Amino acid sequence: DTEVTQTPKHLVMGMTNKKSLKCEQHMGHRAMYWYKQKAKKPPELMFVYSYEKLSINESVPSRFSPECPNSSLLNLHLHALQPEDSALYLCASSRDSTGNTIYFGEGSWLTVV
Amino acid sequence: ILNVEQSPQSLHVQEGDSTNFTCSFPSSNFYALHWYRWETAKSPEALFVMTLNGDEKKKGQISATLNTKEGYSYLYIKGSQPEDSATYLCALRSNDYKLSFGAGTTVTVRA
Repeated sequence: DTEVTQTPKHLVMGMTNKKSLKCEQHMGHRAMYWYKQKAKKPPELMFVYSYEKLSINESVPSRFSPECPNSSLLNLHLHALQPEDSALYLCASSRDSTGNTIYFGEGSWLTVV
Repeated sequence: ILNVEQSPQSLHVQEGDSTNFTCSFPSSNFYALHWYRWETAKSPEALFVMTLNGDEKKKGQISATLNTKEGYSYLYIKGSQPEDSATYLCALRSNDYKLSFGAGTTVTVRA
């Protein structure tokens, strides 16, 4: 059983919609991550939060807006997405940003229509 | 993002047979090498984190070796079982602590 919980598991949204993906962990981890994976491709890092502060933004378009309200929660706010943004979005956490083991959620499947 | 390559992309193995596959990565800026096992509709499960050249790790019938000088790691599955069917991802953790994934090797074990 994963200790990183992501909701929703599936999301379909229009290009003018505003939606959010949510991620939660209760392992006391202080680093949290968003990855994006397209079919048959490696997961790609989007954002890293360390101690609730954004430490890495891998040049992600501003239509993706991360938020870390507290050490257990990580959100990804979505607005004005494009069909090519359809992908699996994985949340992960680790003890800290140098932590050895990174724990992943099951992902949120996003379809933009 | 560093170039991490896995081969083969997929393989089929008969139940009871052993198999292995490769992860290759740039050896500069090496911090750690991670292996994950990812079953459909589940979360990627951490198998190993390897940091030292020559490291060998084992978990049940799955083991891995690491060569940081030449930039490769092998994952071995001994006596494959149907429940070993999954995609195995390797990921390079570089000195800036970023994790760069390979595309995975999908293993299908036939009963």
